[in-house]
Amino acid sequence: DGGITQSPKYLFRKEGQNVTLSCEQNLNHDAMYWYRQDPGQGLRLIYYSQIVNDFQKGDIAEGYSVSREKKESFPLTVTSAQKNPTAFYLCASSIDKTGTALTGEQYFGPGTRLTVT
Amino acid sequence: AQSVTQLGSHVSVSEGALVLLRCNYSSSVPPYLFWYVQYPNQGLQLLLKYTTGATLVKGINGFEAEFKKSETSFHLTKPSAHMSDAAEYFCAVSEKAGGTSYGKLTFGQGTILTVHP
Repeated sequence: DGGITQSPKYLFRKEGQNVTLSCEQNLNHDAMYWYRQDPGQGLRLIYYSQIVNDFQKGDIAEGYSVSREKKESFPLTVTSAQKNPTAFYLCASSIDKTGTALTGEQYFGPGTRLTVT
Repeated sequence: AQSVTQLGSHVSVSEGALVLLRCNYSSSVPPYLFWYVQYPNQGLQLLLKYTTGATLVKGINGFEAEFKKSETSFHLTKPSAHMSDAAEYFCAVSEKAGGTSYGKLTFGQGTILTVHP
């Protein structure tokens, strides 16, 4: 079955440590996205990538970094510079060419809940 | 810039009653509109979308939404609520391909739906 996987489901880290969240998709989608979700604030875009080896900052990129070395993978690193890293992180993907791509429809992974103490 | 407002962060209905979740948007170009549902500690699942054509769109689980350009609204309805409908619902807007925000979704802050027996 095609889909998006995020691992791990729950992640715990000490303050000051960098942590990398995994996102893999086998949908052959070109574009991938990372969102942060906090209660009552909806989803906020951290980074997105429309093609391999290219990515763009979203609305809240400070304290985060990404890479896109393969079409299938878009890992997110939460650095120690992120002041409030505890949140639910969602990865998504969309086709970036014809078909449903042009509507902006995105498919989401199950999420990773990060807790930093 | 596009934005989405969901009126009411919490909506409570009785089982069998009408569900109405409100969404208003602003966009500089004709938008594509989406409703997503999220169950606790899970990713987002697409309920329905409006791109072009018929303004009343039907989605999964008996939900439907009507695009009203004059009111800049895209309210979500279901004639009869079921206990399994309890979840958080997000309205989202995407600008059509060609704009600088191509492919990006802007989300509302979410509405938590509670269904009472």
